[in-house]
Amino acid sequence: ETGVTQTPRHLVMGMTNKKSLKCEQHLGHNAMYWYKQSAKKPLELMFVYNFKEQTENNSVPSRFSPECPNSSHLFLHLHTLQPEDSALYLCASSPQDGPNEKLFFGSGTQLSVL
Amino acid sequence: GDSVTQMEGPVTLSEEAFLTINCTYTATGYPSLFWYVQYPGEGLQLLLKATKADDKGSNKGFEATYRKETTSFHLEKGSVQVSDSAVYFCALSDLGSSASKIIFGSGTRLSIRP
Repeated sequence: ETGVTQTPRHLVMGMTNKKSLKCEQHLGHNAMYWYKQSAKKPLELMFVYNFKEQTENNSVPSRFSPECPNSSHLFLHLHTLQPEDSALYLCASSPQDGPNEKLFFGSGTQLSVL
Repeated sequence: GDSVTQMEGPVTLSEEAFLTINCTYTATGYPSLFWYVQYPGEGLQLLLKATKADDKGSNKGFEATYRKETTSFHLEKGSVQVSDSAVYFCALSDLGSSASKIIFGSGTRLSIRP
């Protein structure tokens, strides 16, 4: 148990659906991250929130929309996704997005887009 | 830009075999180097790290030595166990940079046969 909880664990959606991924951390951290993990590709950083402010959007398509209502919760809203968006989406947190900070990862949401 | 290249898997070994997973890096500065491990159904967790040339990181019987002359950080273990089956990610972070700037490799899946 790393203190970072992601729901749902698995999600299957059609290209016209709207769904949301949820991440919650119980570590008192102030930075939260979304990563995309695809087979045989490097782990890709998508978004960063530091003290509830979005500080990084790594050229992510607008069909992915993050929301960080407070330091403990992070959402990823999904709409009109493509089959190539199928991947494992990982949430992580750290005390802050600063030097020498350690990342704590959740178990991920395995997303399949049909 | 900075990058990490690690050997493609999957790697399949018998229990008690010797393990090497190769990792090389490209960086303009003086990075810190990491190995992360992702056990089935879990998120990534830090396994070991080294912050300067010739440092050796070690944890749970795994070791990796920061080799500046060959820009490598190979992961080794003398006698693997079934419980070591996981995906292993090599990563780097430039000196003083934030957690969001950690660059990950594509991961190497390791399967250990009883």
